[in-house]
Amino acid sequence: EPEVTQTPSHQVTQMGQEVILRCVPISNHLYFYWYRQILGQKVEFLVSFYNNEISEKSEIFDDQFSVERPDGSNFTLKIRSTKLEDSAMYFCASSDAGGAKYFGPGTRLTVT
Amino acid sequence: GESVGLHLPTLSVQEGDNSIINCAYSNSASDYFIWYKQESGKGPQFIIDIRSNMDKRQGQRVTVLLNKTVKHLSLQIAATQPGDSAVYFCAEEANQAGTALIFGKGTTLSVSS
Repeated sequence: EPEVTQTPSHQVTQMGQEVILRCVPISNHLYFYWYRQILGQKVEFLVSFYNNEISEKSEIFDDQFSVERPDGSNFTLKIRSTKLEDSAMYFCASSDAGGAKYFGPGTRLTVT
Repeated sequence: GESVGLHLPTLSVQEGDNSIINCAYSNSASDYFIWYKQESGKGPQFIIDIRSNMDKRQGQRVTVLLNKTVKHLSLQIAATQPGDSAVYFCAEEANQAGTALIFGKGTTLSVSS
């Protein structure tokens, strides 16, 4: 069964550093998403991406965040200058048109 | 503000019992609803979905009920098993591809054998 994969599983970085989280969505999906989950809290929407551009973003997704589809298989989330409060699980998801969103296993980001 | 929430943060059941997890939503524009299961340290796992033109949908051991009049969604799990222990989230979105999925806070289901 096809699945969304994410790397790395755990990323530790120092405050102010840049991080790139990577995702490989399900191959025939056209819509890609990033969500995050702070420990013990609900999953929060960050951004959706379609046809090589952002289609929707939340208030969380400020200028420190960016997304990119550098090739035909990868989808990345970059945080330019990490803050302590960026520590969370980051989930990538993908969907086809109008379909359910399937989530990856997540990357645990720890900012020290 | 939060548009999706769950009535109970925790639910404890015995193995073999049926479980019912409830969710209330407030956004009348939402017309697509999904239940996810999240085990510790893992991503949300799709369980079942329902569109607003339906009031009931069944899967394997799971049933989702949608009451649009009172904006209520429920997940019924038949013959609950220890492997069903997890956090369950309902989520809603407007029926448009690429839109944000809004999650509720989650209900932790604990199944004892």
